[in-house]
Amino acid sequence: DAGVIQSPRHEVTEMGQEVTLRCKPISGHNSLFWYRQTMMRGLELLIYFNNNVPIDDSGMPEDRFSAKMPNASFSTLKIQPSEPRDSAVYFCASTGISDGYTFGSGTRLTVV
Amino acid sequence: SQQGEEDPQALSIQEGENATMNCSYKTSINNLQWYRQNSGRGLVHLILIRSNEREKHSGRLRVTLDTSKKSSSLLITASRAADTASYFCATDGSNTGKLIFGQGTTLQVKP
Repeated sequence: DAGVIQSPRHEVTEMGQEVTLRCKPISGHNSLFWYRQTMMRGLELLIYFNNNVPIDDSGMPEDRFSAKMPNASFSTLKIQPSEPRDSAVYFCASTGISDGYTFGSGTRLTVV
Repeated sequence: SQQGEEDPQALSIQEGENATMNCSYKTSINNLQWYRQNSGRGLVHLILIRSNEREKHSGRLRVTLDTSKKSSSLLITASRAADTASYFCATDGSNTGKLIFGQGTTLQVKP
């Protein structure tokens, strides 16, 4: 298994542009999580899905953020419009029942 | 919040020594997990301990859980330079798999 796959690894964009981050979870895992990591705030849970259904999006900072999971093998996190304070590393993770999480390598987003 | 808080924030030891990191949390949990993050990488799951367990081992790792004190500790024995990383505890209190992470302990093991 290739693990959780995120793309792109790095993204540099200008303020106001739309950014789309992608994640492919491990096959058979039924839960998917999006986290954001910064030095100031650490790891913040943004949203998570169970069986492709969004369960808790209370961590999504603003309406500029949206996430979808159209099927069990793909999820996106979109920021529109992006702002410099969105600069962070965004991680996707997946898990089965009662397992630990498997994290992707992350997307390092820089908004200039 | 049931966020875990690690102590110390940073730890520097010599290779071969043991490293102990502590985690405290605020509400009841179903399980507590420890993760490692090497610089610039994603987190790697190390060990999961359930609320009805008191101690668990995995190789050079030993985790304890005291639910009465709402605390856990991670012991790495005979540390190696390759153990240099940040270590995070995370708690699952809702039985949904939703994990809340602490701020982490940065461990440096000097060769």
